[in-house]
Amino acid sequence: GNSVTQMEGPVTLSEEAFLTINCTYTATGYPSLFWYVQYPGEGLQLLLKATKADDKGSNKGFEATYRKETTSFHLEKGSVQVSDSAVYFCALSDPPGGSYIPTFGRGTSLIVHP
Amino acid sequence: GAVVSQHPSWVICKSGTSVKIECRSLDFQATTMFWYRQFPKQSLMLMATSNEGSKATYEQGVEKDKFLINHASLTLSTLTVTSAHPEDSSFYICSALGTENTEAFFGQGTRLTVV
Repeated sequence: GNSVTQMEGPVTLSEEAFLTINCTYTATGYPSLFWYVQYPGEGLQLLLKATKADDKGSNKGFEATYRKETTSFHLEKGSVQVSDSAVYFCALSDPPGGSYIPTFGRGTSLIVHP
Repeated sequence: GAVVSQHPSWVICKSGTSVKIECRSLDFQATTMFWYRQFPKQSLMLMATSNEGSKATYEQGVEKDKFLINHASLTLSTLTVTSAHPEDSSFYICSALGTENTEAFFGQGTRLTVV
């Protein structure tokens, strides 16, 4: 079956530090990959996505590249801000032919200090 | 992007009462909606998949008589927690599959507290 593995948190950084949150996946088909962000007390917001190998998703300074050879979709940001403090979820969905239901990693909490 | 609205954002109820949570797709039609439960500092646990006009498909271990799901229209799904107990207190999140079936859009979540 499909699964997503994320690095355990919390990840604690100082403002302007470089961020990497690792994500690897297993899938039976050719999935689309996503990063979602959840701010305290809120639902999930789509941060970025990639639908095929070597695609790079980017948004708000965050980037992730779909690496089929390593089955990875690591999230990066060159300079984090305090406002980036949140929980980040890596996810995949595996259409067509497979399940459209997103499979989530367990989430990685990011804490950014001033 | 598509907008999914969840209501209420928080609710407090007494043990034994029922609570209804609504999930609406505001600018698109959603034939499929999902209901998740999230425990503190944990990931989302899929409870059920709701398809418009048919019965919901529940994940293993989720009591369908306790968590009633109705998806009566292409823009509305409801989750009713029946005879709520304190252990049902949690954060419930809905999502709707977009029309291209390649992405799910999420509501803002409902914090349920049963006292």
